[in-house]
Amino acid sequence: DGGITQSPKYLFRKEGQNVTLSCEQNLNHDAMYWYRQDPGQGLRLIYYSQIVNDFQKGDIAEGYSVSREKKESFPLTVTSAQKNPTAFYLCASNSGRTDTQYFGPGTRLTVL
Amino acid sequence: GENVEQHPSTLSVQEGDSAVIKCTYSDSASNYFPWYKQELGKGPQLIIDIRSNVGEKKDQRIAVTLNKTAKHFSLHITETQPEDSAVYFCASYYGQNFVFGPGTRLSVLP
Repeated sequence: DGGITQSPKYLFRKEGQNVTLSCEQNLNHDAMYWYRQDPGQGLRLIYYSQIVNDFQKGDIAEGYSVSREKKESFPLTVTSAQKNPTAFYLCASNSGRTDTQYFGPGTRLTVL
Repeated sequence: GENVEQHPSTLSVQEGDSAVIKCTYSDSASNYFPWYKQELGKGPQLIIDIRSNVGEKKDQRIAVTLNKTAKHFSLHITETQPEDSAVYFCASYYGQNFVFGPGTRLSVLP
């Protein structure tokens, strides 16, 4: 069963902690993306990666970090430097330029 | 850079009526335009897309039209059903990334 998986579905973080959100895809896609969605808002790009071992900052990269050591995995770390991390985080992938982008089910992060 | 506007932000229709959501984009280099449906607490699901060499595309009750000259594209849903209620996002592919509209909350009233 092909697709994108994100874990955990819900995540709670204490202030000052770093947390890592998992994103895995078995679609053999080259490109992977992380978006942030706030209530009633659209999607804002955090980071993206077009190829293994390479990634670029999106519009709101401050306070976040990523790695792309494997084609199928693109974890996102929300660091303590991110001042307002409570949001819904979405991972996506597509196989190339102008190709269909598919989304994972999302992770809802709440800061306590 | 690219900017995508989407209207209306909310839309209520009676079951069985049609719904139309419109998006405009700013950069003529954009060449791929998907539409997504997002239900509460879930990731967006692709429902239809169109490429810049096509003017219209249909899939059962859903259609998308593209006017490259005016730089706008529209989603048309006919014979709406309660299960069509969701937030709909348009997007354009620009450079290496997708730029999303702010979303339209569609409510289909029984």
